[in-house]
Formats: sequence, C-alpha cells, structure tokens
Amino acid sequence: RKEVEQDPGPFNVPEGATVAFNCTYSNSASQSFFWYRQDCRKEPKLLMSVYSSGNEDGRFTAQLNRASQYISLLIRDSKLSDSATYLCVVNIWYGQNFVFGPGTRLSVLP
Amino acid sequence: DVKVTQSSRYLVKRTGEKVFLECVQDMDHENMFWYRQDPGLGLRLIYFSYDVKMKEKGDIPEGYSVSREKKERFSLILESASTNQTSMYLCASSPGQGGMNTEAFFGQGTRLTVV
Repeated sequence: RKEVEQDPGPFNVPEGATVAFNCTYSNSASQSFFWYRQDCRKEPKLLMSVYSSGNEDGRFTAQLNRASQYISLLIRDSKLSDSATYLCVVNIWYGQNFVFGPGTRLSVLP
Repeated sequence: DVKVTQSSRYLVKRTGEKVFLECVQDMDHENMFWYRQDPGLGLRLIYFSYDVKMKEKGDIPEGYSVSREKKERFSLILESASTNQTSMYLCASSPGQGGMNTEAFFGQGTRLTVV
C-alpha cells in the first residue's frame, strides 16, 4: 500500500463548480499535512497547511481526520486559474521526511 | 522570500557521463532534499540531508550520490548516467525541526535527458 494515496483523477469541471479532493495516508505517526499545487512543468508550491481543526483560505477549505487518516481539499467557485495538479503531502517528522501523494489533476473548463 | 535555486533548467547528457546537479538555498535551512518526478509515479525521494556532511538515503538512492559540504548547497551526482535517469529533478529545503506545519520549499526543477 502506498504511503499517501489520492483520487486518481483527472477532474474536469466547469467554471464555478465545487470540487473535492481526497487523500489517505498510512503512517499514523505523521505529524504535519499539506496541500501543494503544481502547474504544468513547474515546481510544487504550498497551497495550504492542514490543521487538525480544519482551515479555510478564501475558496479553499482543508480538513484532517486523524482517526481515519484522511485529508480533504474543497475548492469552491472554481476558476480557470485553479487548473493544476494538487499534491497531498504528509510530513513524518517536523520539517523532514515529506511524503508526496501521486497528485490529482484538475482542469477547470470555460 | 525563500529562494531555492537549481543550477540548470534543462540538461542533456550522454549515457555513462558523470552528472552534477547543484542546488542552493538562501534561508539557512538545515534540511535539503532531492526528488525525482516521473509521470504516474509522482515525487520520489532520492536523498536528503539534515546537516552539513550528513546524508540519508531516500526511497530510490541507487545510481545517485550526494554532497553537502556547505549548509546552503546540496549536490546530486549521477555517477554514470543512464537513460532510465531521464526525469525531472527537484531540490527542496526546509527548516530543521521547525515545528508543526514546517513546509518544504522547492527549486524550479531540472529536466534531465540522458541520451
């Protein structure tokens, strides 16, 4: 079983849609959780950290369920510029040992 | 802003050549990482370093070595390049044990083609 698994995608959604990505992780000792965004042929960049209580940043909401070892990302009112690959990332030890999921590709269509 | 800089965006090398990929970060981070990214396989950790002259093998270290002589610089070495090492190589850094939600910062990537 892979350490971090994500919805395989791709997701093709119209502008304005709400889309949700799911991620599960296998190591119960994982300490920190993130969503990264990667544009085509570019490096990954941090979208948001995921806090135990859940957190929101504008149109983006992240949730963590430690008991189920599950992380989610919700994007509301999708924009064309949201088209990218979204990577679920788990940190086993603070600042070290980042484990990446395979990514889920999102295409927002006009 | 944190800056992680990789020496080349694109490289073409011949089979059997020794290849050096250089990475420099300017935020005094203790941890540095080398990943490769391939379609369908995601990012896979090759090596990481948590201090000068320290290194740890990641998931796929075979065919690679690393060097960290200075805190800001982490080099990836392909001792004898092979075609199956054609890939996107990404360097990253993070603060040492910076606490919860310490993120990794990436360089722009080096797309290596071995012919």
